[in-house]
Amino acid sequence: AQSVSQHNHHVILSEAASLELGCNYSYGGTVNLFWYVQYPGQHLQLLLKYFSGDPLVKGIKGFEAEFIKSKFSFNLRKPSVQWSDTAEYFCAVNAASGTYKYIFGTGTRLKVLA
Amino acid sequence: IAGITQAPTSQILAAGRRMTLRCTQDMRHNAMYWYRQDLGLGLRLIHYSNTAGTTGKGEVPDGYSVSRANTDDFPLTLASAVPSQTSVYFCASSKTGTSSSYNEQFFGPGTRLTVL
Repeated sequence: AQSVSQHNHHVILSEAASLELGCNYSYGGTVNLFWYVQYPGQHLQLLLKYFSGDPLVKGIKGFEAEFIKSKFSFNLRKPSVQWSDTAEYFCAVNAASGTYKYIFGTGTRLKVLA
Repeated sequence: IAGITQAPTSQILAAGRRMTLRCTQDMRHNAMYWYRQDLGLGLRLIHYSNTAGTTGKGEVPDGYSVSRANTDDFPLTLASAVPSQTSVYFCASSKTGTSSSYNEQFFGPGTRLTVL
């Protein structure tokens, strides 16, 4: 069965620190990959997505993620975080064929200290 | 404004009561989904529908039912609520088709449900 692991459950950083959130998935076929962000009290918003092509994808607000197929990973990065990046981040995987369903990771809560 | 609306925003419900959470989208997306979000567990799929008239079970379907009479609406019903169904419920929708770009899901604002 497909699964998604986010190893960092809580991360605390100071402003201007660099961020990397891990995401690993288990699925043998072709996948689509997503990172969503949920700001406090709000609904999920798409940060970035990978379908095919360049494995380094850039999203909104300076975020990027790299798909490493050999490692089944899709880690999220940002060179310099801001206080406004405080949120919960979810990685999600979707099999590229046969289903539209997502499998979500358990999320990572990021707190950025001003 | 195009998007997904959910109602109610929040609800406190006595155990054993019946409750329907409403979800409406105006993006003409074929597929719709219901998730519950619980601390430390992320989002888990309850039920989904790939097109009007069809539904399917997700990871945690027990105690919930859905219907999809038309493209826009996808209500979620708790026939007899229990305290373990206390959660935040999100509705989502997506296009369907052969292109992978159709797989992006769009989420509603959520319903916070407390079952006492």
